[in-house]
Amino acid sequence: ETGVTQSPTHLIKTRGQQVTLRCSSQSGHNTVSWYQQALGQGPQFIFQYYREEENGRGNFPPRFSGLQFPNYSSELNVNALELDDSALYLCASSPSGGDTDTQYFGPGTRLTVL
Amino acid sequence: SQKIEQNSEALNIQEGKTATLTCNYTNYSPAYLQWYRQDPGRGPVFLLLIRENEKEKRKERLKVTFDTTLKQSLFHITASQPADSATYLCALSGYAGNNRKLIWGLGTSLAVNP
Repeated sequence: ETGVTQSPTHLIKTRGQQVTLRCSSQSGHNTVSWYQQALGQGPQFIFQYYREEENGRGNFPPRFSGLQFPNYSSELNVNALELDDSALYLCASSPSGGDTDTQYFGPGTRLTVL
Repeated sequence: SQKIEQNSEALNIQEGKTATLTCNYTNYSPAYLQWYRQDPGRGPVFLLLIRENEKEKRKERLKVTFDTTLKQSLFHITASQPADSATYLCALSGYAGNNRKLIWGLGTSLAVNP
C-alpha cells in the first residue's frame, strides 16, 4: 500500500453531468499528478500540482480542472461529461524535492459515463 | 512525436523461467526510465528506476537494463512465480519543466503458469 487514497471507488454519471474526484497524498509528498487510464491503455497524464499550483498539463480540454489544497490533498473536476470520459482515474503523489518523479499511485476511481 | 512501445502481445511463461519484457522508445531522450506493475482495476506500483547513465539495475528477482543507443529497456523477472502475473508498464521522463511528466507505454500482460 502506498498511502495514497482516492474517493469514491466507483462512480456512475450521465452525459453532461459534472464530477469531482478526490485524492489524499502520501504523507510528506507535495506533488500530485492525475492520470486517465482507459481499458487496455497506459495512463494518460492530465495535470500535476505542486504546492497548490498547476505544474504541467497534458492534452486534456479545459473542462478537466483541478485543485490542490494546503494539506496537499487534491481534487479532479470534470464538467460536461462525455461517454469517452469513462475510465479509471488515477492520482499519484511524489516525494518532496524528488528529481525522478517516481509516482506513488492510489487505487483509482472507476468512472462510468452513460 | 514521442512514442513508447511495449510487447503488444501477452507473455505466457512457465513458473520458474525468466520473463523478459521490452520497452522501446522513439523521438525522446529520457533522463529516467521506470517500470511499474499494475494489477486489474488497481493503480500501478513502482518497481524500479534506471537513469540514463546506468546500464543495469537489480532488485531481488528483478533486473532492468537501459540502452540509450538502441533506445530500449529490458525488464527481467527471474525464477518467475504465478504471483508475478500482472501488467507491466514502462514510463519515461526528462530532466526539467514539462519534460518531467511521465510518458507511459501501454503495458505488457504477463501470465506465469504453475
